[in-house]
Amino acid sequence: DTAVSQTPKYLVTQMGNDKSIKCEQNLGHDTMYWYKQDSKKFLKIMFSYNNKELIINETVPNRFSPKSPDKAHLNLHINSLELGDSAVYFCASSQASQETQYFGPGTRLLVL
Amino acid sequence: DAKTTQPTSMDCAEGRAANLPCNHSTISGNEYVYWYRQIHSQGPQYIIHGLKNNETNEMASLIITEDRKSSTLILPHATLRDTAVYYCIVRPDQTGANNLFFGTGTRLTVIP
Repeated sequence: DTAVSQTPKYLVTQMGNDKSIKCEQNLGHDTMYWYKQDSKKFLKIMFSYNNKELIINETVPNRFSPKSPDKAHLNLHINSLELGDSAVYFCASSQASQETQYFGPGTRLLVL
Repeated sequence: DAKTTQPTSMDCAEGRAANLPCNHSTISGNEYVYWYRQIHSQGPQYIIHGLKNNETNEMASLIITEDRKSSTLILPHATLRDTAVYYCIVRPDQTGANNLFFGTGTRLTVIP
């Protein structure tokens, strides 16, 4: 019944590895997002995506790439992980690009 | 997006009304006021939003001043589960303006 789900909930990995975080929404929404919340608790948009457009926050390194196999999923791939990538990553979705966003439970990434 | 200013923290006694203020003096005519909250270790949760009229739903009430330069979120009967960080966000209601810019929010602590 979870509207927006993410896997895994926790991810511990070594520097330099490549990892993916999965996000699924069962709300029938057409727009999905990825946010990053750092250790200081600031929550910042990374990407927004619908079937027509990917909008990237220009501050996001190109090691991060969103992949959407279908409208219900937006996965986040991270290459060559760095210590500074440690954070909580939240997925969200909305019905249209200007509608209310619903968030997943977050994925806690720790890079050692 | 218009900048918002919120108190860093507030306390509220359990069962009493919690009134959380937000200043958005540079808000534009097409910008909505949104409120989200983040309970510890969870994803942000939508609470309510409005343009210029006061709004009420099952979670809270939103009072927007006539000049729209400030607003107040009211939790009528705060419970311990309402302890969270509350974010006031302004955003335009137009296609492409879909990012939520989270500030530092107000940390509300409900005291038994």
